Amino acid sequence: EDQVTQSPEALRLQEGESSSLNCSYTVSGLRGLFWYRQDPGKGPEFLFTLYSAGEEKEKERLKATLTKKESFLHITAPKPEDSATYLCASESYNTDKLIFGTGTRLQVFP
Amino acid sequence: DSGVTQTPKHLITATGQRVTLRCSPRSGDLSVYWYQQSLDQGLQFLIHYYNGEERAKGNILERFSAQQFPDLHSELNLSSLELGDSALYFCASSELRTGIYYGYTFGSGTRLTVV
Repeated sequence: EDQVTQSPEALRLQEGESSSLNCSYTVSGLRGLFWYRQDPGKGPEFLFTLYSAGEEKEKERLKATLTKKESFLHITAPKPEDSATYLCASESYNTDKLIFGTGTRLQVFP
Repeated sequence: DSGVTQTPKHLITATGQRVTLRCSPRSGDLSVYWYQQSLDQGLQFLIHYYNGEERAKGNILERFSAQQFPDLHSELNLSSLELGDSALYFCASSELRTGIYYGYTFGSGTRLTVV
């Protein structure tokens, strides 16, 4: 069964302190690996899609990378407004399902 | 506004009752996904419809059912409600059967409270 596991569950950073979030996936026939940002009480907001190992995508202070087993979301010099839950999801060719991990809750303090 | 409209935003109902949640996807989007988000379980995949046809099912309870209508809006029906059904219910839409090109767009959710 397809599975997505994220770590850590929670992360507290000082403003400007760079770090990485991890997403491990076990998917039969990966079609795409997604990253989303979710603010409390709101719907997830799309950040990136990665398709193949070695691929990288960037958006402002965020950079997502993909290997055959994991994806990383690197946050460079984070600001308090980057505080949110970051969700990773996989989509399979075989099942037409979009499966989410439980997320990493990021808090950035000034 | 993401373009995906979910109604109602909040719903409070008693155990044993039945409710219907509605989702209007973005204009032109053919795929609709439904998710349940509880505090301790993250986003749980319920069901995926594409152009009116059911494409995939997750661990959706038998008390829950869904459909996508010819105008592409979708409804999620929850019956014989239990306290544990209290959660945020999200729908998401995409233009195609897959969201890999443009991502999936989520609505703002329906918060269901069963008392």
